Amino acid sequence: DVKVTQSSRYLVKRTGEKVFLECVQDMDHENMFWYRQDPGLGLRLIYFSYDVKMKEKGDIPEGYSVSREKKERFSLILESASTNQTSMYLCASSFAGSSYNEQFFGPGTRLTVL
Amino acid sequence: AQSVTQLDSQVPVFEEAPVELRCNYSSSVSVYLFWYVQYPNQGLQLLLKYLSGSTLVKGINGFEAEFNKSQTSFHLRKPSVHISDTAEYFCAVSEGVTGGFKTIFGAGTRLFVKA
Repeated sequence: DVKVTQSSRYLVKRTGEKVFLECVQDMDHENMFWYRQDPGLGLRLIYFSYDVKMKEKGDIPEGYSVSREKKERFSLILESASTNQTSMYLCASSFAGSSYNEQFFGPGTRLTVL
Repeated sequence: AQSVTQLDSQVPVFEEAPVELRCNYSSSVSVYLFWYVQYPNQGLQLLLKYLSGSTLVKGINGFEAEFNKSQTSFHLRKPSVHISDTAEYFCAVSEGVTGGFKTIFGAGTRLFVKA
């Protein structure tokens, strides 16, 4: 079974703090993704990566950065957290190649910024 | 431009009743279509997917969906729901773009199954 794990289920941070969200997958997937999930908006793509040290902006990259130093790990960084970044963050991974490969999701991290 | 519209934000239904969750999409090219389910406090998992071939797709937990190209729809159905089907359901569309692919998710439909 594919396993995608996220470092925290719940996180509370203060405005201006630097926040790291970690994601690890164990199926040797090339692609990894970070989404944020907000009520009524569904999932919105923040960043994705097709390979180690490679990253591409998604639809809402402002205020975020990412790091992928190893194939299995994809980190999301909030350089200076703000209250409007309070959200559920979901990591996903998939095999490379065609667009019909399903994405496997982690359980999510619910981040609250005070 | 690619977009996904889930026509109902919430669907309440009684146990053992049939249910349909509606999804429409827009895209200028051939697409691949997915339904994902998210149970409370969990990530998303794949219910079913349409790639090509038969327009009726069967998935896990008794769900099925029908691809209608002329209507640009991919509605999800189940003939008899259970309490355990209470969850949020997401329709997603994936298409090839230069350099890779792009997947767009709908806003989600919350299914409430009542006893």
